[in-house]
This record gives sequence, structure tokens and C-alpha cells, in this order.
Amino acid sequence: EAQVTQNPRYLITVTGKKLTVTCSQNMNHEYMSWYRQDPGLGLRQIYYSMNVEVTDKGDVPEGYKVSRKEKRNFPLILESPSPNQTSLYFCASSLTGLAKETQYFGPGTRLLVL
Amino acid sequence: QKEVEQDPGPLSVPEGAIVSLNCTYSNSAFQYFMWYRQYSRKGPELLMYTYSSGNKEDGRFTAQVDKSSKYISLFIRDSQPSDSATYLCAFTNGGGSNYKLTFGKGTLLTVNP
Repeated sequence: EAQVTQNPRYLITVTGKKLTVTCSQNMNHEYMSWYRQDPGLGLRQIYYSMNVEVTDKGDVPEGYKVSRKEKRNFPLILESPSPNQTSLYFCASSLTGLAKETQYFGPGTRLLVL
Repeated sequence: QKEVEQDPGPLSVPEGAIVSLNCTYSNSAFQYFMWYRQYSRKGPELLMYTYSSGNKEDGRFTAQVDKSSKYISLFIRDSQPSDSATYLCAFTNGGGSNYKLTFGKGTLLTVNP
């Protein structure tokens, strides 16, 4: 089954404690992206990757890091989480990143930073 | 002026009604226009995609784009309770290697049986 998986699905942590949210896709997609969704602000892009070792900033990259060492994985790293990073995070992938392609979203990771 | 404006609703309609969802945008560089549907506690899914002014129909759904007015719409005919979801408009500049999506805040739709 074609899918995008994220782990963990729910996470409560404290300010400053480094964490990683994993994202994996099994569709051999070149393009992957991270979004955060907040009430009243909608869905905003954090980082995206066009292929292995190729990443670029989205609209809200501050406080986040990403890496793309393998095609299937695109982890999101919060080096020193702060309460304003409490949010619902989605990973997504598509074949090559063209706008007309269907972008497949993962189930989401709900993060609470205390 | 915000780059994308979308009425957050909520919008509540009876089953069978025609639903109209709208977004306005200010960025003239937007060339591709999309509508995503997001069910509660799920990730968004692409519903409609278009790149030109005019109408595009897919079953009960019609996407309408007016580039001159910077206005896009999604119409749902014969709405069903299963259409109850949040609908997000989305925009991007180009389809090559510059794939950055800008989303509206979403409109929450409830279709009552």
C-alpha cells in the first residue's frame, strides 16, 4: 500500500530537549515536504526536498532542520524546541514535485512543547 | 494585504445543497491553483488542480479560476454528508523545480443529512 508514515504520532516534550520526527514514504518519490498546521494560521510549509541531498526552506523554517540522506526518509529535527513550535506537523511526498502531481500526506504528528 | 484570503466558515448546509467555497489571492506569480480536502484528524488530500482561468469539472466538483480578479472557487453539487471536511485552497508559482505551496486557512464545511 502506497503511504507516507510519520513517527511519533503524538509527542509531549519540554523546552530545549532535542527531538526528531521521522517521515518515510514507500512510493519512490523524489519530492518530500514538511508542513505545520495551526488554528487560525492554516497549513504552512517548513522545508522541502527535491531529491536526496537537495533541500530548501519553505515559509517558516526557523527553529527546524531537515536532512535527506535517503530517498524514502525525510526527518524533521527540532534542535531546541520552544512552546511556539507546539503544532500539528504533516509530512508529504509527490513523484517529482510538479504542481499538478498528487501530493500524499502522512497522518500527522501532534507535538506539545511545555 | 494577505497573500491568500479564505473565509474560515464554518459553513453548514443541508444535504443536496450546492456549496460555494472561495479564495482570493494577491500574488500575480501564482500559476497553479488547487483545492485540498481534509477530514478531521487526517492529512489533506488533493481534490482539484487547474492552471488556467475557466472551469474544470470532476463529478460533483467544479473548480473555477478567474486570474484577472485573482479569485478561485470550488463548487460542490448535490452535497453529501461525506463532503463534511475542511477545504483548503492552495497556490504555487510554477511546476518545475520551484514547488512551494501557499495554502489558505481552510473553510470548515458540514453537510447535514
